Amino acid sequence: QLHLQESGPGLVKPSETLSLTCTVSGGSISRSDYYWGWIRQPPGKGLEWIGSIYYSGITYCNPSLNSRVTISVDTSKNQFSLKLSSVTAADTAVYYCARGAQLRVFDYWGQGTLVTVSS
Amino acid sequence: QSALTQPASVSGSPGQSITISCTGTSSDVGGYNYVSWYQQHPGKAPKLMIYDVSNRPSGVSNRFSGSKSGNTASLTISGLQAEDEADYYCSSFTSSTVVFGGGTKLTVL
Repeated sequence: QLHLQESGPGLVKPSETLSLTCTVSGGSISRSDYYWGWIRQPPGKGLEWIGSIYYSGITYCNPSLNSRVTISVDTSKNQFSLKLSSVTAADTAVYYCARGAQLRVFDYWGQGTLVTVSS
Repeated sequence: QSALTQPASVSGSPGQSITISCTGTSSDVGGYNYVSWYQQHPGKAPKLMIYDVSNRPSGVSNRFSGSKSGNTASLTISGLQAEDEADYYCSSFTSSTVVFGGGTKLTVL
């Protein structure tokens, strides 16, 4: 059974960079036809796709966040990571990592991790 | 890239059927059969319920079904049960980007 687990700081200061890692177990991150994505959910609000990466490094990002987002993959560790720069309070959210079949179908999700942006 | 439009809330009694709509444009919902639906219980991660408009993943009850007409996709839940009370999100895919709907809160009366 595939399992995804987010990890990273739960508190980030304004203007700094948010960094999260998703560790995948129970399956290879290098499997074809699957992208690995980040989705976030501000408290009490809806889901927002941040971006997704293929094991080869091909990346697609939400145009509204594109300039601040870096997504990378480490196949040797079966992990992928998110960096979001210049954060503000509006970036406070639960951040989920998920597997995306053909990029668009998120069939396995991590439990999510709350990241608060505050000084 | 605008969010897809969903009703904020819907409700129904046990045993009834309800439908949640998801409206986009000809560039996303209307242009491709790439609509998915997710169920989210409070404090939990979303769960995939329907993909590519009308396909159910293994393990999802056949009480859940999806359809599409023009720029609007729909999720229908038949034989409503208390456990179906949750938030539901649609998503679509276009130009290598994913967009979600604003979410619909389903209340089982």
